[in-house]
Amino acid sequence: AQSVAQPEDQVNVAEGNPLTVKCTYSVSGNPYLFWYVQYPNRGLQFLLKYITGDNLVKGSYGFEAEFNKSQTSFHLKKPSALVSDSALYFCAVRVDSGAGSYQLTFGKGTKLSVIP
Amino acid sequence: GAGVSQSPSNKVTEKGKDVELRCDPISGHTALYWYRQSLGQGLEFLIYFQGNSAPDKSGLPSDRFSAERTGGSVSTLTIQRTQQEDSAVYLCASSSEGRKNTEAFFGQGTRLTVV
Repeated sequence: AQSVAQPEDQVNVAEGNPLTVKCTYSVSGNPYLFWYVQYPNRGLQFLLKYITGDNLVKGSYGFEAEFNKSQTSFHLKKPSALVSDSALYFCAVRVDSGAGSYQLTFGKGTKLSVIP
Repeated sequence: GAGVSQSPSNKVTEKGKDVELRCDPISGHTALYWYRQSLGQGLEFLIYFQGNSAPDKSGLPSDRFSAERTGGSVSTLTIQRTQQEDSAVYLCASSSEGRKNTEAFFGQGTRLTVV
């Protein structure tokens, strides 16, 4: 079974400071990893994904994420937080296996609050 | 259409009634997913379609839940004899070609309230 853990329910950061939202995963096989953002009363928006290759992935709105296979982590980062980054962030994983489910498994989400 | 469209956006129903939720995926997307998001919870996988078939129904919480997809496009999620614990936001997503490395695009969701 595949699973995703987001160990922090909430992250608070001052505007202009770097931010990190943590994600670890557990899969049998090679993972495809995704980050989504959800603004209040909105659906989920895709931010970035790791498929293969370079461990540092760049995405929308200045976000990036680093894939670490040995630590089974895919933390989301941004060098300088904006108040408008305040939202709910979800990490997700899908397993690269020859057959079986295409299920996209999500973490429970981390609420990011950027303080002016 | 330009994005995934879900209807209705809000639905209030009485306990015991049946409800139908509709999802219209992005044109050409063959893969379609239904998720449920309860207050303060993450996304709970319900069902996945590839074309008209549903190879993975593992997430449906009970036999009161069913889903179908016709013509490889629109999908409906039906909940029979609704219970208060069914109250949640139901999210639909679609992705192209069903390859595992493609991202899914989400609709705005249907907020279901069972009273």
